[in-house]
Amino acid sequence: GQQLNQSPQSMFIQEGEDVSMNCTSSSIFNTWLWYKQDPGEGPVLLIALYKAGELTSNGRLTAQFGITRKDSFLNISASIPSDVGIYFCAGRRGGSEKLVFGKGTKLTVNP
Amino acid sequence: DVKVTQSSRYLVKRTGEKVFLECVQDMDHENMFWYRQDPGLGLRLIYFSYDVKMKEKGDIPEGYSVSREKKERFSLILESASTNQTSMYLCASSRTGGRDIQYFGAGTRLSVL
Repeated sequence: GQQLNQSPQSMFIQEGEDVSMNCTSSSIFNTWLWYKQDPGEGPVLLIALYKAGELTSNGRLTAQFGITRKDSFLNISASIPSDVGIYFCAGRRGGSEKLVFGKGTKLTVNP
Repeated sequence: DVKVTQSSRYLVKRTGEKVFLECVQDMDHENMFWYRQDPGLGLRLIYFSYDVKMKEKGDIPEGYSVSREKKERFSLILESASTNQTSMYLCASSRTGGRDIQYFGAGTRLSVL
């Protein structure tokens, strides 16, 4: 099955740094979602995007739905140790209940 | 708050055993999903159910079956567990249509020895 191209695969940063990750696809999606998975837990939704060009923030997190509807990015500002985890992008096509996931970006934050 | 509960956090089984993974959601969602998560491979869909007794194969259904006899419960069955089915299994649920997203359980880490 199709998976989204998510990059980078992993990031090692210092506390306080900003982080950026993105997802691209060869096909169009109607919805883009960003999830975070803490170690040993299930993914939890961070941000949902429903309209091309939409820019949405959730605290220190900001995500955008690309104009072409084929990409999305997530930024984290002023990272803190609890930002550690795996971040997944997911896309949903119109008329489908299924999500297509990226392979994840593993974030490590050094205090 | 939506709650998706997976019956076990950790399971250890032997090769050839029949294994049941259970998932219950409390928000009357129509759709339920079973995923498998392996390092570097992300989440891969095993099976999807859009209603009671209805199911659809995902990307990797081989070696698995599912059962949905009640709306709130979705079971994943490994008929004869094999070592290559050692993995993290995640259940999710969602409401049909609109803007609804998938809510995940905490996962079951299965080891097949």
